Amino acid sequence: AQKVTQAQTEISVVEKEDVTLDCVYETRDTTYYLFWYKQPPSGELVFLIRRNSFDEQNEISGRYSWNFQKSTSSFNFTITASQVVDSAVYFCALSSSGSARQLTFGSGTQLTVLP
Amino acid sequence: GAVVSQHPSRVICKSGTSVKIECRSLDFQATTMFWYRQFPKQSLMLMATSNEGSKATYEQGVEKDKFLINHASLTLSTLTVTSAHPEDSSFYICSASGPSSYNSPLHFGNGTRLTVT
Repeated sequence: AQKVTQAQTEISVVEKEDVTLDCVYETRDTTYYLFWYKQPPSGELVFLIRRNSFDEQNEISGRYSWNFQKSTSSFNFTITASQVVDSAVYFCALSSSGSARQLTFGSGTQLTVLP
Repeated sequence: GAVVSQHPSRVICKSGTSVKIECRSLDFQATTMFWYRQFPKQSLMLMATSNEGSKATYEQGVEKDKFLINHASLTLSTLTVTSAHPEDSSFYICSASGPSSYNSPLHFGNGTRLTVT
């Protein structure tokens, strides 16, 4: 069975602060993929990143960065210098190689960035 | 631009009626489509997986006779909520994958907000 845990239900920060969203996953598969999606109030899912289980390099994309650590089964997401437009629900998700690409989602973290 | 189109984005219907939601892949052949449901302030839960030309596979607890899924072509899957009730009010969202996109991110539609009165 697969499981994704996002322990932080809600986070509130002031604009320009850095914020880290935690994601811990469980899977018995050796090959799997991890994702982060952003869901603004309008509802659509915006893809942010995909990482496969063999690539533990951290990644930075603008103000976004991701820290993948297999040893702790974590895939944390950091937003640097947060902006009001970053306010949204963020989902971490897991897909194993044998699941034909269906995703198991975490419960999501509601991020509110205050001006 | 969007690679998966979902229609309608919002629908309000009366209890007892049926509602059809369409999910289209715009520039690739979607051999597999997934339907998710999201209740307010909750996560996305997989309802069913459909492969083109075959019957959908439903997750435990999802009534296949209530949520009819048809994936008749490589670019279109439909979800029909039959005899809708207020408790079916939810956000429904589809995703699509193609045969050559195994390592690619899943593409999601923009979702359909269903309200049953």
